[in-house]
Amino acid sequence: EDKVVQSPLSLVVHEGDTVTLNCSYEVTNFRSLLWYKQEKKAPTFLFMLTSSGIEKKSGRLSSILDKKELFSILNITATQTGDSAIYLCAYYGQNFVFGPGTRLSVLP
Amino acid sequence: NAGVTQTPKFRILKIGQSMTLQCTQDMNHNYMYWYRQDPGMGLKLIYYSVGAGITDKGEVPNGYNVSRSTTEDFPLRLELAAPSQTSVYFCASIRGTGMNTEAFFGQGTRLTVV
Repeated sequence: EDKVVQSPLSLVVHEGDTVTLNCSYEVTNFRSLLWYKQEKKAPTFLFMLTSSGIEKKSGRLSSILDKKELFSILNITATQTGDSAIYLCAYYGQNFVFGPGTRLSVLP
Repeated sequence: NAGVTQTPKFRILKIGQSMTLQCTQDMNHNYMYWYRQDPGMGLKLIYYSVGAGITDKGEVPNGYNVSRSTTEDFPLRLELAAPSQTSVYFCASIRGTGMNTEAFFGQGTRLTVV
């Protein structure tokens, strides 16, 4: 059965800290792995990863995929209170399957 | 470009009532999905469709039905609402079916069954 696991499930940091969120997956027919940020409403798209070892960056956020070891990480540097959200990892294979999410709280 | 539109945004149902959650997309996407998200949890797939006239069950289909008579619309039907169906429901559609794709989400429907 296809599965996505995220860790940690919850994380509390202070502004300025750097965080690493983990996503591992067991899937068939892998097409891509995606990261979403969810605040109060619908998830918003962050990154889509299809190839191993190629880092994607957007401002203070970056992500990389390891298709051999079946995991991805999302890094956030110099965290801000506005980064507080649930970060969802999803793979796209047969369907979109989401992990449980990591709830990040950034304290001032 | 409206993207994915869900209605209603909020709804309170009594146990045993029925309702339809509407989802429409104007991007000509073939693939559409319904998810539910319980408090503090990730999204779980209820049903999905790969095109008009084709639907299939996801991870948690019990208590729900769907139809896909057009490319644009993918309504989700609850026939006999139960408290366990209290959740936030998201509809999503996919731009493409190849490697490079992302899901576009509606803004969600918050359903409470009392």
